[in-house]
Amino acid sequence: GQNIDQPTEMTATEGAIVQINCTYQTSGFNGLFWYQQHAGEAPTFLSYNVLDGLEEKGRFSSFLSRSKGYSYLLLKELQMKDSASYLCAVMDSNYQLIWGAGTKLIIKP
Amino acid sequence: GAVVSQHPSRVICKSGTSVKIECRSLDFQATTMFWYRQFPKQSLMLMATSNEGSKATYEQGVEKDKFLINHASLTLSTLTVTSAHPEDSSFYICSARMEFEVDGYTFGSGTRLTVV
Repeated sequence: GQNIDQPTEMTATEGAIVQINCTYQTSGFNGLFWYQQHAGEAPTFLSYNVLDGLEEKGRFSSFLSRSKGYSYLLLKELQMKDSASYLCAVMDSNYQLIWGAGTKLIIKP
Repeated sequence: GAVVSQHPSRVICKSGTSVKIECRSLDFQATTMFWYRQFPKQSLMLMATSNEGSKATYEQGVEKDKFLINHASLTLSTLTVTSAHPEDSSFYICSARMEFEVDGYTFGSGTRLTVV
C-alpha cells in the first residue's frame, strides 16, 4: 500500500529552526510536495522536490532522498505566522498526489 | 500565477437539500480537476478526479450518485452534494493541474459545508 508518515504535532520557539520529517512508500515517484495550510484555508504550495538534495527558498528549505524515501522541510527564523499545518504529498506513478496527515506546527513566543 | 476560484466559501444547508460548489480556473485551462474533502484535524482525502469532457473517476468509498461532478469545460468543474446529511459537513477543496505541468497544482480556496 501507499503510505506517507509525518509527525502529528511539533512545537518550536519564535526565531528558532524546526525540521519536519516525512517518510513515504508509494507506487512510483514523480516528486514530493510540501504545502502549508492554515486552519480553515486551502493548502498553499511551498516546495517541490523530484531530485535528491536540498532546495532552498528563503526561510524554507526542503530536502529529498529518494533512496531512503525521506524528505524534510526546514523552517528557519520562525515567525508566529508560521503556525500552521504542513502537509507532505507524493506524486505517484499515475501523477496523483498521495497526502500525509499533516504536521501541526505550534510556534511559541 | 495560476488561480482557481472556488465558490461558495461557506454554505449552510438543510438536511436533504443539494449544494453545488464551483471551481473555475481563471487564467489557464484545467484539463484535470481533483476534488478533496477534509475533516477537522485530518489530511486531504481525494474524492474524485475529473477530466474535461469525460466522466469523473471516483475513489473507493465515494458515492458517485451522491457527489456529482461535472467538468464540462476546461475552466469550470462543479461538485454537487445531493441530499446532504450532517455527516457530509466538511471542508471541500478543488485542485487543478495544468496540462504538461508536473508541479502545476493549484488549489481553490475551499468550501466549508455545514449541513444542519
